[in-house]
Amino acid sequence: DVKVTQSSRYLVKRTGEKVFLECVQDMDHENMFWYRQDPGLGLRLIYFSYDVKMKEKGDIPEGYSVSREKKERFSLILESASTNQTSMYLCASRTTGYTEAFFGQGTRLTVV
Amino acid sequence: SQKIEQNSEALNIQEGKTATLTCNYTNYSPAYLQWYRQDPGRGPVFLLLIRENEKEKRKERLKVTFDTTLKQSLFHITASQPADSATYLCALDFLDDKIIFGKGTRLHILP
Repeated sequence: DVKVTQSSRYLVKRTGEKVFLECVQDMDHENMFWYRQDPGLGLRLIYFSYDVKMKEKGDIPEGYSVSREKKERFSLILESASTNQTSMYLCASRTTGYTEAFFGQGTRLTVV
Repeated sequence: SQKIEQNSEALNIQEGKTATLTCNYTNYSPAYLQWYRQDPGRGPVFLLLIRENEKEKRKERLKVTFDTTLKQSLFHITASQPADSATYLCALDFLDDKIIFGKGTRLHILP
């Protein structure tokens, strides 16, 4: 079974902190994604990566950066956390081509 | 502007009836369209994928249609059961490997 694991289920951080959200997949997938999910706004794409060290901006990249140094790991970085970044963050991966995406369990981040 | 719209935020259907969910999009040209199910507190789970040149796809009690002229997909659950209650998300799948999701429809199957 494909497994996508996010490092934390719940996280509380202070405004201005640098925050790292980690995602690891075990199926050698080329593509990885970071989304955030908010009530009434649905799932919005922050960044995606189609290969090691490659990244593309999604619809809402402002305030975020990403890192993909190894194929199995995709990190989302909040350079200076703000309260409007309080959200559920979901990581996903899939193989290249039109295939299903596999999601992690999500990280509920609260910025206070 | 580009939009993906799922017909309603919430839908109540009597058990045993067919639930039909709609996904409309504008100013996108997806190669594929996918449907996912999401339960509270969990990540979405893949259900079905349909290509732009396919009209219809079936899997057990699920059926998806894809009309690229109307820019619309319909998702049907036949003989619905309370266990089908969840949020259903449509997703557009693009040549550059990006996947964009709609906001979802919360489906309640009433016993």
